[in-house]
Amino acid sequence: GESVGLHLPTLSVQEGDNSIINCAYSNSASDYFIWYKQESGKGPQFIIDIRSNMDKRQGQRVTVLLNKTVKHLSLQIAATQPGDSAVYFCAENGNYGGSQGNLIFGKGTKLSVKP
Amino acid sequence: NAGVTQTPKFQVLKTGQSMTLQCAQDMNHEYMSWYRQDPGMGLRLIHYSVGAGITDQGEVPNGYNVSRSTTEDFPLRLLSAAPSQTSVYFCASSSTGGGEKLFFGSGTQLSVL
Repeated sequence: GESVGLHLPTLSVQEGDNSIINCAYSNSASDYFIWYKQESGKGPQFIIDIRSNMDKRQGQRVTVLLNKTVKHLSLQIAATQPGDSAVYFCAENGNYGGSQGNLIFGKGTKLSVKP
Repeated sequence: NAGVTQTPKFQVLKTGQSMTLQCAQDMNHEYMSWYRQDPGMGLRLIHYSVGAGITDQGEVPNGYNVSRSTTEDFPLRLLSAAPSQTSVYFCASSSTGGGEKLFFGSGTQLSVL
């Protein structure tokens, strides 16, 4: 899951296993959530998004689950591959503070896939 | 389709120097923004623009200026660089606004000595 500080939480999985990356978001008024993948030296790349009127959305090998009651978001990656190794960020469309109407990002989780 | 293009990819500055980070997009997106990314941190919003001629401050705007004279370009200016501005900078754009899916550039890694 997300955390504060300089050290990213790391999730280490075996190739072929399923991965679950968790994220706690801040604002109950947020109605759009998104996951990005960032490989070393590259910009964030869109994976999947979900609106607050949905609990689950599936893409190719990925599923996002939204639990509004506890303000929790998760990304599930099926049959994890070495190419999935990256840092994963969740974001919400917060409407508070200096980021009104803009995406607010979590601090990321590093996924390492062992061959 | 190039998407969002940032230049330069790497830059080293001395404290007090000025420079401009360039960002251009060819998707005709009205919304553009700048984020900075520090080790172990998420992306933090510096400035954003909802269209040509309109800019606004994000979460961490101090020390940075922006302008938006065209839809395509959104440069970020550091007037007097400080070591605290050492970071990786990402430009992003969107067709539907800042609270929706953003398309990111590949980043500029800036070191201020």
